[in-house]
Amino acid sequence: ELKVEQNPLFLSMQEGKNYTIYCNYSTTSDRLYWYRQDPGKSLESLFVLLSNGAVKQEGRLMASLDTKARLSTLHITAAVHDLSATYFCAVDFYSGGGADGLTFGKGTHLIIQP
Amino acid sequence: NAGVMQNPRHLVRRRGQEARLRCSPMKGHSHVYWYRQLPEEGLKFMVYLQKENIIDESGMPKERFSAEFPKEGPSILRIQQVVRGDSAAYFCASSPPVTAPKYGYTFGSGTRLTVV
Repeated sequence: ELKVEQNPLFLSMQEGKNYTIYCNYSTTSDRLYWYRQDPGKSLESLFVLLSNGAVKQEGRLMASLDTKARLSTLHITAAVHDLSATYFCAVDFYSGGGADGLTFGKGTHLIIQP
Repeated sequence: NAGVMQNPRHLVRRRGQEARLRCSPMKGHSHVYWYRQLPEEGLKFMVYLQKENIIDESGMPKERFSAEFPKEGPSILRIQQVVRGDSAAYFCASSPPVTAPKYGYTFGSGTRLTVV
């Protein structure tokens, strides 16, 4: 059974600081997704990482994927209050043929204090 | 280009009633996935459907839950005889007809079910 583990689960940080969220998964996969969720809202796609060594950046967020280590990171640079949200990583799971859906981590609740 | 449309946004049911949740995928998407999110938790996969076919229902509870995606119309997630533990947010996602979507899955706004 595919397991996806995120850490930390809760993170409170000050504006202007840098931090990294980690996502480990248990089986071979070359696709990893990062989503953002605001309270009471749906999931917003942030990054789709498709291959080993993939690195993508959008504003103050940068995501990377190491398929050999089964590890993805989401790095936050010079955090601002607007980035406060819950961040999920997710991995495709397969049964037989193609991908049947996503297995999610439990999420990282990020609070950025002014 | 409307995204994934879910309705209703909020649904209140008494214990023992039936809940019907609807999901219309994005235009051009023929694959639909349902997930459940309990408070303060991540999303859990329930079922994956294509038109008129259930592809993977490994995440569906064995009783009271069913899903369909008919040839015409939205996908329906049906919960019979609801109990308090069914209270959750139910999200639908869709993807285009490829094996593993290169650009990710698009999620709807969710239906928040409250059982009283």
